[in-house]
Amino acid sequence: AQSVAQPEDQVNVAEGNPLTVKCTYSVSGNPYLFWYVQYPNRGLQFLLKYITGDNLVKGSYGFEAEFNKSQTSFHLKKPSALVSDSALYFCAVRDRNSGGYQKVTFGTGTKLQVIP
Amino acid sequence: DVKVTQSSRYLVKRTGEKVFLECVQDMDHENMFWYRQDPGLGLRLIYFSYDVKMKEKGDIPEGYSVSREKKERFSLILESASTNQTSMYLCASSSRLGTGQATNEKLFFGSGTQLSVL
Repeated sequence: AQSVAQPEDQVNVAEGNPLTVKCTYSVSGNPYLFWYVQYPNRGLQFLLKYITGDNLVKGSYGFEAEFNKSQTSFHLKKPSALVSDSALYFCAVRDRNSGGYQKVTFGTGTKLQVIP
Repeated sequence: DVKVTQSSRYLVKRTGEKVFLECVQDMDHENMFWYRQDPGLGLRLIYFSYDVKMKEKGDIPEGYSVSREKKERFSLILESASTNQTSMYLCASSSRLGTGQATNEKLFFGSGTQLSVL
């Protein structure tokens, strides 16, 4: 079975400060890892993914995430937060050995609030 | 611009009614998915389809069924709506997987349907 944990329901950060949204995962094999963002009254949008290779992945809107296999983590980061980054962020995982069908498991989401 | 369109943004139904949620994608994607989103529970997969007329159960299929008669359209059916099916329903699509770095794992989501069952 595969699972994702997002330990923080909400993260508050001042505009201009660095932000981190935490994610840990559990899979039986090797993971594919993702971050999605949901703005108010919108569907989810893809931010970035880790498939293989470099542990530091860069994505949309200046976000990046670091894959840490020993800690089974995939934290989302941004050097300088913007008010427009305020949204709901979801971490997701798929076990590479789960076959050809994209059964992706999502976390419970973390609400990011950037304070002006 | 690629698009996943869900037919209704808000829907109010009565307990026991049969409910149809429709989803259409214009990207010629093979895979389509239905999730429900509940506060504190995140997204949970109800059903998915990897080809026309094919379907697979997700993590919470009970009380739901699906239909995929055409590649671009994936319908979620609540045979007899109940109050515990009040939720935000999200449809998503993706293209068939490649391999290695070419793997195409990106999901495209619709804007969602907020269903209230009274």
